[in-house]
Amino acid sequence: GDSVTQMEGPVTLSEEAFLTINCTYTATGYPSLFWYVQYPGEGLQLLLKATKADDKGSNKGFEATYRKETTSFHLEKGSVQVSDSAVYFCALDGSGNTGKLIFGQGTTLQVKP
Amino acid sequence: NAGVTQTPKFQVLKTGQSMTLQCAQDMNHNSMYWYRQDPGMGLRLIYYSASEGTTDKGEVPNGYNVSRLNKREFSLRLESAAPSQTSVYFCASSGAGGLTDTQYFGPGTRLTVL
Repeated sequence: GDSVTQMEGPVTLSEEAFLTINCTYTATGYPSLFWYVQYPGEGLQLLLKATKADDKGSNKGFEATYRKETTSFHLEKGSVQVSDSAVYFCALDGSGNTGKLIFGQGTTLQVKP
Repeated sequence: NAGVTQTPKFQVLKTGQSMTLQCAQDMNHNSMYWYRQDPGMGLRLIYYSASEGTTDKGEVPNGYNVSRLNKREFSLRLESAAPSQTSVYFCASSGAGGLTDTQYFGPGTRLTVL
């Protein structure tokens, strides 16, 4: 079945460092791909998404490109801030119009001043 | 708009007890979802409702039942709680359950079963 694999955390960075969180997926067909973020004590919120190959999603300085050839959707940010400290989830919707998301296990990011 | 609201925020149950988790959304969304979040496992879909009057099983439905009471409300019931159901439960909703629809999540309910 469909699955998502993320890099293990926690990831600890200094402020203004470059961030990459790896995400790879297994799916039949052409899934939509998402990054969600969960701040401490809160629910998840959508960070960015891409619905077809070579699409780039971007939001708040974060970017991810849908790479079908490598089945990847890595999250990047050029300069992280302390306020970016959160748990990041990669997810896919391969089910075709039902919104049944499959999530990765989450990657905790801690940014130190 | 309050978005997606969940009650209660915290709950402790004894094995065998029953309870209902409540979820409501005020965004006029068609689709609603229940997930559980366990350490190191991400979120897993328990049940979903693509539209009012319909419900369907997700990845981990055993031990749970749901009711789509109306367009706004989607409840999750544990008939006989087990320690394996200790988790954080999230409700979410989306406009039409389509490929590009954003799911909006509630703040979660932290459930402990002793």
